[in-house]
Amino acid sequence: GEDVEQSLFLSVREGDSSVINCTYTDSSSTYLYWYKQEPGAGLQLLTYIFSNMDMKQDQRLTVLLNKKDKHLSLRIADTQTGDSAIYFCAEIVSGTYKYIFGTGTRLKVLA
Amino acid sequence: EAGVAQSPRYKIIEKRQSVAFWCNPISGHATLYWYQQILGQGPKLLIQFQNNGVVDDSQLPKDRFSAERLKGVDSTLKIQPAKLEDSAVYLCASTRTGPNTEAFFGQGTRLTVV
Repeated sequence: GEDVEQSLFLSVREGDSSVINCTYTDSSSTYLYWYKQEPGAGLQLLTYIFSNMDMKQDQRLTVLLNKKDKHLSLRIADTQTGDSAIYFCAEIVSGTYKYIFGTGTRLKVLA
Repeated sequence: EAGVAQSPRYKIIEKRQSVAFWCNPISGHATLYWYQQILGQGPKLLIQFQNNGVVDDSQLPKDRFSAERLKGVDSTLKIQPAKLEDSAVYLCASTRTGPNTEAFFGQGTRLTVV
């Protein structure tokens, strides 16, 4: 089946690192994504990783992919109050270009 | 480039009434998606179009929901009749064709059924 799971909440102090985890199910997914949703707004793409990579770094963001365990994580270094939002991981089902989203992790950054 | 446009932004209706949402994707984007996002949950795909053809509508409650994409551009999503559990944000997204293309999302339509 198609199911993408995430933990619901994460709270960190400003300046600390945040790690948001995701478990997906489609082993043939070729691309995996992280989206950010701020209150009242649509989803905004943060970063993505191709399935033949195990790590991708993009400024403060680091994505780690463990294909064997179907586990994806997003690390935000030096977390700021502006990073407070809901973060969704998503996989694209091969052959259909259908995006499947996780349940979302609400990140709260404490000043 | 202009983003994905959706209207209306907000809609309040009584149960058993009908409602329609409109989406204008980014110019040139062949794939269009409608998602339902219930408060506290991730977006759930309702229907996916490739140009004006349906690719996937397996999670669309077809007894009350319908969608069309005439001429492969704009799309409308209709609910008739609405139920209380349809209260959600309805998101439209579009992408170019290809295995790794960013999905651009509209701001969504927040529907409240009372």
